[in-house]
Amino acid sequence: EAEVAQSPRYKITEKSQAVAFWCDPISGHATLYWYRQILGQGPELLVQFQDESVVDDSQLPKDRFSAERLKGVDSTLKIQPAELGDSAMYLCASSFSSPKSTDTQYFGPGTRLTVL
Amino acid sequence: DAKTTQPNSMESNEEEPVHLPCNHSTISGTDYIHWYRQLPSQGPEYVIHGLTSNVNNRMASLAIAEDRKSSTLILHRATLRDAAVYYCILRSNAGGTSYGKLTFGQGTILTVHP
Repeated sequence: EAEVAQSPRYKITEKSQAVAFWCDPISGHATLYWYRQILGQGPELLVQFQDESVVDDSQLPKDRFSAERLKGVDSTLKIQPAELGDSAMYLCASSFSSPKSTDTQYFGPGTRLTVL
Repeated sequence: DAKTTQPNSMESNEEEPVHLPCNHSTISGTDYIHWYRQLPSQGPEYVIHGLTSNVNNRMASLAIAEDRKSSTLILHRATLRDAAVYYCILRSNAGGTSYGKLTFGQGTILTVHP
């Protein structure tokens, strides 16, 4: 069964350093999402791509976070500089078609970030 | 966005049915009811969704109240593998900035005892 791949699974960094996370969605999935999940809370959407275009980045802290999906396939989420409050699980998800209220989002295993 | 209310936690015994409630009194006519679950150390996974009628799939059943202000996710025979956080989510079909958005709350932590 096809899965969303993410790497690394775990990342420890010091504050003010740069970090990057990679996501490879299920083949053929046009929509890609990045979520952040703080311990004890549900995931929160950071950015949503339709093919290579950003369609929603309203919750992305743009002073330090950036995301790209250059060829409309895999994607990278970057934080520079990292802050202590960025410690969280970063989840990538994908879905086959344009967002609608019935499509299924498939999630990867996430990257656990710890900022020291 | 319409909100959902779920109990913080529930417990069940293995091989017994589990009924996970969700209240959504401000649901609009175009909102779909979705359930996702998140196993420990994994990303969320889709469980089931519905609009007005009750729905069944291989994982669970979804019972939707006639007025749509509440719903219940039913696991017919809980296994240890069903221990997870279960999220009840309303997804708007009305267009605009909320269209299709998956907005997670805190969910219900389900503990299954052997």
